Amino acid sequence: NAGVTQTPKFQVLKTGQSMTLQCAQDMNHEYMSWYRQDPGMGLRLIHYSVGAGITDQGEVPNGYNVSRSTTEDFPLRLLSAAPSQTSVYFCASSYEASGSYEQYFGPGTRLTVT
Amino acid sequence: RKEVEQDPGPFNVPEGATVAFNCTYSNSASQSFFWYRQDCRKEPKLLMSVYSSGNEDGRFTAQLNRASQYISLLIRDSKLSDSATYLCVVNRGFNKFYFGSGTKLNVKP
Repeated sequence: NAGVTQTPKFQVLKTGQSMTLQCAQDMNHEYMSWYRQDPGMGLRLIHYSVGAGITDQGEVPNGYNVSRSTTEDFPLRLLSAAPSQTSVYFCASSYEASGSYEQYFGPGTRLTVT
Repeated sequence: RKEVEQDPGPFNVPEGATVAFNCTYSNSASQSFFWYRQDCRKEPKLLMSVYSSGNEDGRFTAQLNRASQYISLLIRDSKLSDSATYLCVVNRGFNKFYFGSGTKLNVKP
């Protein structure tokens, strides 16, 4: 199993450009999430999905869109990049086990917006 | 107020020392609790879940106090390889996880 994969690993965008960060998992997990991590801020939830076709907003959804057409894939779209979106982005998948949820993370995408 | 608060550290300890980290969470509806470990420029990885009765995994012991909304992690006999940032995480059901900003541990020879 590859686990959770993310592409690209690094990306530089100019202000106003759009792009899609890719995330895929091969563990058949029902739940997937996107986080951003900024220095001193911890991970903050952007969007999450509880199954194919079902998504919802997290703490910091503005400027981002998601869709979940398959169990495996959960892409994150930046609509019009801003310098404030410079961050490290992590995708995670999770499953429920005895009422608790365990998450597995991808290696991250380091995004710089100039 | 942040959902999960942790002392950022760093905690600088010699090899073999015992070190304890604490975290508090603000929402009493939080259902499950975890410690994750994050190495520099890497993804977080699950270290252990935290149960109300307390639980141990080798040199690591985690405790939960629901009344005080407080979680702890104790590391005994610290190794150089324990140097990392430790993230306190709470879950409020479904896929809603809230992360603390992490406590940095440096274990020195």
